[in-house]
Amino acid sequence: AQSVSQHNHHVILSEAASLELGCNYSYGGTVNLFWYVQYPGQHLQLLLKYFSGDPLVKGIKGFEAEFIKSKFSFNLRKPSVQWSDTAEYFCALRGNTGKLIFGQGTTLQVKP
Amino acid sequence: DVKVTQSSRYLVKRTGEKVFLECVQDMDHENMFWYRQDPGLGLRLIYFSYDVKMKEKGDIPEGYSVSREKKERFSLILESASTNQTSMYLCASTFLGQGTTEQYFGPGTRLTVT
Repeated sequence: AQSVSQHNHHVILSEAASLELGCNYSYGGTVNLFWYVQYPGQHLQLLLKYFSGDPLVKGIKGFEAEFIKSKFSFNLRKPSVQWSDTAEYFCALRGNTGKLIFGQGTTLQVKP
Repeated sequence: DVKVTQSSRYLVKRTGEKVFLECVQDMDHENMFWYRQDPGLGLRLIYFSYDVKMKEKGDIPEGYSVSREKKERFSLILESASTNQTSMYLCASTFLGQGTTEQYFGPGTRLTVT
């Protein structure tokens, strides 16, 4: 069965701290992986995606993620967070059915 | 710019009422999706449609039905609303086929069933 697991449910950081949000997936085939973000009161929007090629993917607003196939992981990173990064973050997998499978989400709170 | 709109941002309904949630996209996308979003559970797929009049059950279809009479519009129907259907409902759309098929989301409808 295909599944996505996000380890951290609620993360609190101070501004300028580094961020890493964990995402592990369960699927044996070719995967497409996504990170979505939902800022308070706004639409869910795409941060970055991995389809193939370079396993280090850069997205918007200084975010990046690394696909490690051997670890079934796609962790999201940012070297220095800002208060405006306060949001909920979702990792998602698209497997052979074409449907997206989402993780449980991680709420990030950045303290000014 | 892709736009997915949902008919209401907030909705309050009584138990047993029939509820319609409407979603419209303007990008000629073939695929459309309905999710519900609950704290700690992420987004769970209720139904999706890959063409007009076509629909498939997602992971949690019980208590819901859908309608897709036109390509741009996908409706979610709660036949008899119950309190456990209080949730945030998100609509999404995407192109059919391979390539950079990210999903585009609407703003969501927060439904409260009392």
